Parts: sequence; C-alpha cells; structure tokens
Amino acid sequence: RKEVEQDPGPFNVPEGATVAFNCTYSNSASQSFFWYRQDCRKEPKLLMSVYSSGNEDGRFTAQLNRASQYISLLIRDSKLSDSATYLCVVPDADKLIFGTGTRLQVFP
Amino acid sequence: GAGVSQSPSNKVTEKGKDVELRCDPISGHTALYWYRQRLGQGLEFLIYFQGNSAPDKSGLPSDRFSAERTGESVSTLTIQRTQQEDSAVYLCASSLDRGAYNEQFFGPGTRLTVL
Repeated sequence: RKEVEQDPGPFNVPEGATVAFNCTYSNSASQSFFWYRQDCRKEPKLLMSVYSSGNEDGRFTAQLNRASQYISLLIRDSKLSDSATYLCVVPDADKLIFGTGTRLQVFP
Repeated sequence: GAGVSQSPSNKVTEKGKDVELRCDPISGHTALYWYRQRLGQGLEFLIYFQGNSAPDKSGLPSDRFSAERTGESVSTLTIQRTQQEDSAVYLCASSLDRGAYNEQFFGPGTRLTVL
C-alpha cells in the first residue's frame, strides 16, 4: 500500500457544486495531516491542517477517520478560483509525505 | 516579508553536465527541505536540513545528488552528471523549526530540463 493515496481525478464540477476528495494513508501512527493546494505550475501552499476529528474553514471542511485511515476534504459552493490540485500530506517524523494530488476543475 | 526564493527559475542543461540549484529560505527558519516534482507527479522528498546539518538524506535518488547548507541560511542542491530522468521541478521549502507539524513555505521552484 502506498504511504498516501489519492484519486488523481480530474473532478470537473460546475460553480456552486459541492465536491469531496478522499485520501488514504498507511502510517497509523500519524497524528495530524494537511491539505495543500497547488495551482498549475506554481508551488504548493498550505490550505488546511487536520487535527483530531476535523477542521472547518469557511467553505472548506477537512475530516479525519483514524479507524479507516482516511482524510477527506469537502468544498462547498465551488468557485472558479478553486480550480487547482489538492495534495493530501501526511507527516513522517520530520518530513512530509505528499500524495500525488487530486485535480479539480470548476467550470462556469 | 520575503518568502522562499530559488534560483535559477529555469535551467536547461545537456546530459552529463553538473548543475547547482540555490534556495534562500525565509529568514529565521531553521529547517529547510528539498523536494522533486516530476511532470504530473506528486512531490518526492529529497533531503532536509536542521540548521546546517542534514539528519535525513534518505530521499536522495543517487550519489550524483548532494546538498549543503551554510550559515543556517542558503542551501545548494548539486546534481552531477545529469541524466534525462533528472528533469523535474526542484522545490525548496522552509519552516520555523524541525518537525513535520510546522508549516512549510515553498519557493517557486527551479524547472530543470536535461536534454
């Protein structure tokens, strides 16, 4: 099993839609997780941290299911500007393990 | 304030040549990371520094790759005898302290093309 697995997509959704991405991880010792956003040909930027059961920030909700070892990211009321690749990230000692990312394309 | 900067932004080289990639972290950040991202792929961890020491070099793909950091600031990633499979974007990130739970701030990357 890969350390971090994500569906690469693309997810093509209309503006205003709700979309959810899942990510599974193999290291059961991991305590906290991250979602990073990467725009085309740009560097990744931290979107959200996920501690304990979950975290909400405006239209974005991240949830953690430790028993099943998966993390989800829910985006409500999608905007065109949400189009990007969303990277699931799991800490491993002092470094981060990145998933390959899920590409989201929001269309008018 | 200034973010992480990397130079050059683009580098085209011929197979077999050596290249040096530079990273200037955010001032005061003690931890510095190098990643590689091949086209359409995720980020691969290469090496990280805490201060000027490299506790984890486990991601370096071969002995052609080396990195150093001086003055707890600038870091240089060197690739010797480049191969076509080295073509990728090389990203540098820094964080305030070691530990993967500290937010990492990324530079814009160096796009390396080996012909």
